[in-house]
Amino acid sequence: DIQLTQSPSSMSASLGDRVSLTCQSSQGIGNYLSWYQHKPGKPPKPMIYYATNLADGVPSRFSGSRSGSDYSLTISSLESEDTAIYYCLQYDEYPLTFGSGTKLEIK
Amino acid sequence: EVQLVESGGGLVKPGSSLKLSCVASGFTFSSYGMHWIRQAPKKGLEWIALIYYDSSNKYYADSVKGRFTISRDNSKNTLYLEMNSLRSEDTAMYYCAKDNNYPFAYWGQGTLVTVSS
Repeated sequence: DIQLTQSPSSMSASLGDRVSLTCQSSQGIGNYLSWYQHKPGKPPKPMIYYATNLADGVPSRFSGSRSGSDYSLTISSLESEDTAIYYCLQYDEYPLTFGSGTKLEIK
Repeated sequence: EVQLVESGGGLVKPGSSLKLSCVASGFTFSSYGMHWIRQAPKKGLEWIALIYYDSSNKYYADSVKGRFTISRDNSKNTLYLEMNSLRSEDTAMYYCAKDNNYPFAYWGQGTLVTVSS
């Protein structure tokens, strides 16, 4: 199975900061990687798909990038509503696998 | 508007069975593959199963293979997850999800399954 390693496991940043979360794949998955935002008591929300594409309704301060087998989710200017756990998902092959998540908090 | 509504969760004993349902509306259910995903308490997300739009193919996570069965009834716009030989580690919130042009574009609110003696 393909393993996704997310780093850091948790972080805190200030409002307005530029924040980057990373996800490394154990095998080549091309651009078949997406990101999800998960807040307590709600279902996860898709943020980025195919590594760099913004999902429907997602603010433009979010972006995705890829360098080899390393993938990043970047928030250009952190807002209070961005507090959540962020998961990456590979959908190149079955079984689909998620990373273990990055918990993002506001300082 | 796409809506997915799960039901069927509850408290069950280890070794028992349970069947979850997910009723879909707002789209042509028979045209889309559907997934089940779960989140155990204080754990991350885990994809567990996919069924193609026409039930021709099914895929499972290793953790549930042989114990869980995904199925659908396109005439009822309903997705199912039959869970047998339940274990404490199956305790989780179970979500159904639909792809759009990307995976898990739409999610239900989830149904909670607790496996405990």
